[in-house]
Amino acid sequence: KAGVTQTPRYLIKTRGQQVTLSCSPISGHRSVSWYQQTPGQGLQFLFEYFSETQRNKGNFPGRFSGRQFSNSRSEMNVSTLELGDSALYLCASSTRGAGEIGGAFFGQGTRLTVV
Amino acid sequence: LAKTTQPISMDSYEGQEVNITCSHNNIATNDYITWYQQFPSQGPRFIIQGYKTKVTNEVASLFIPADRKSSTLSLPRVSLSDTAVYYCLVGDLYNTDKLIFGTGTRLQVFP
Repeated sequence: KAGVTQTPRYLIKTRGQQVTLSCSPISGHRSVSWYQQTPGQGLQFLFEYFSETQRNKGNFPGRFSGRQFSNSRSEMNVSTLELGDSALYLCASSTRGAGEIGGAFFGQGTRLTVV
Repeated sequence: LAKTTQPISMDSYEGQEVNITCSHNNIATNDYITWYQQFPSQGPRFIIQGYKTKVTNEVASLFIPADRKSSTLSLPRVSLSDTAVYYCLVGDLYNTDKLIFGTGTRLQVFP
């Protein structure tokens, strides 16, 4: 079956703009989580959704938000972009949680560059 | 979620067995130990997960001593394609995808 799909793969935005990233989970998966990866901070958890409800949230400012639709697809939005938001944004999905057999499945990520 | 400590980097040669040890002194009763592999500019990939003793799959083995305060990921006969960053995570992940990644171990395999 198809894996986790993230769009777009690459994105260049200007400081102050906003951006929306999309994630389509594996069919049947209801849990979707988002991560930010930078060389300085490593992989950091942003938030996760399960059945359209935010289940957990990481330590990021309110400029970072997300949502999940009834078909489990998820979007994350970053408003008022800053240079430090340049990163690889990763989405992961699972049926219920990463503790199940096979863990969480990650997409290829969206590389965001803020100039 | 328990904090984990693992070596920053390791070097090996093709065909050798590589053992990466992770320390997790504050592991809780309900916590499982999970390892992920990540190649540059790709998302992490699940390798193996265990609770106690030894777990083996087609990719790796995971050794967990009785006190569960550490664990060792064993990669048999590594190849160049095993060059990646390996993350050890500890937590009760039954109903969450909230993964707390540490710095990981950067494994470099040489020919």
